[in-house]
Amino acid sequence: DAGVIQSPRHEVTEMGQEVTLRCKPISGHDYLFWYRQTMMRGLELLIYFNNNVPIDDSGMPEDRFSAKMPNASFSTLKIQPSEPRDSAVYFCASRYTGSSGNTIYFGEGSWLTVV
Amino acid sequence: DQQVKQNSPSLSVQEGRISILNCDYTNSMFDYFLWYKKYPAEGPTFLISISSIKDKNEDGRFTVFLNKSAKHLSLHIVPSQPGDSAVYFCAARYSGTYKYIFGTGTRLKVLA
Repeated sequence: DAGVIQSPRHEVTEMGQEVTLRCKPISGHDYLFWYRQTMMRGLELLIYFNNNVPIDDSGMPEDRFSAKMPNASFSTLKIQPSEPRDSAVYFCASRYTGSSGNTIYFGEGSWLTVV
Repeated sequence: DQQVKQNSPSLSVQEGRISILNCDYTNSMFDYFLWYKKYPAEGPTFLISISSIKDKNEDGRFTVFLNKSAKHLSLHIVPSQPGDSAVYFCAARYSGTYKYIFGTGTRLKVLA
């Protein structure tokens, strides 16, 4: 089975540019999460969705960040305008409510560098 | 405001010995705790979990202990192997939700 798929794997962009990160969750999963990994804060929850509806976006750092989930198989995280402090690894994860455990499954991450 | 804290950024252990990774939390509303393992350039993968109504869960070489009164959990790896070298994240789930909060991670290095 395919896991969580993220693109791009690596992105280098100039300050002020728009960045769009993409995620395809595991088929059938009804929860989708966006996390950001930095040295200082570890894995930080930005936002999560249930059945394509945002449930909690309290971790989104500021208005420059936005996330959408237009359908069950696709989500985007957009940063506009980007700043050097946004440089981090962004992970998407998903899970299925009906599964017995508490596992969430992560993608391989998108490495973002803003110069 | 870090609700899940891993105060040791790194740990080195000799192969065959026990590795103990620690995690503290501040919120009493967490009902499940998890440990994830992360290799470089990969996403975190689930390792083991424990419900807040238990104090121990074991899976092979991995055991998680939960001390609710101290708001502390630990992961024991016995015996440690070089392949265990990775970053370990502690995570907690808010009761009644699927909101998972992760810590800052501890980098474990197992020396051959």
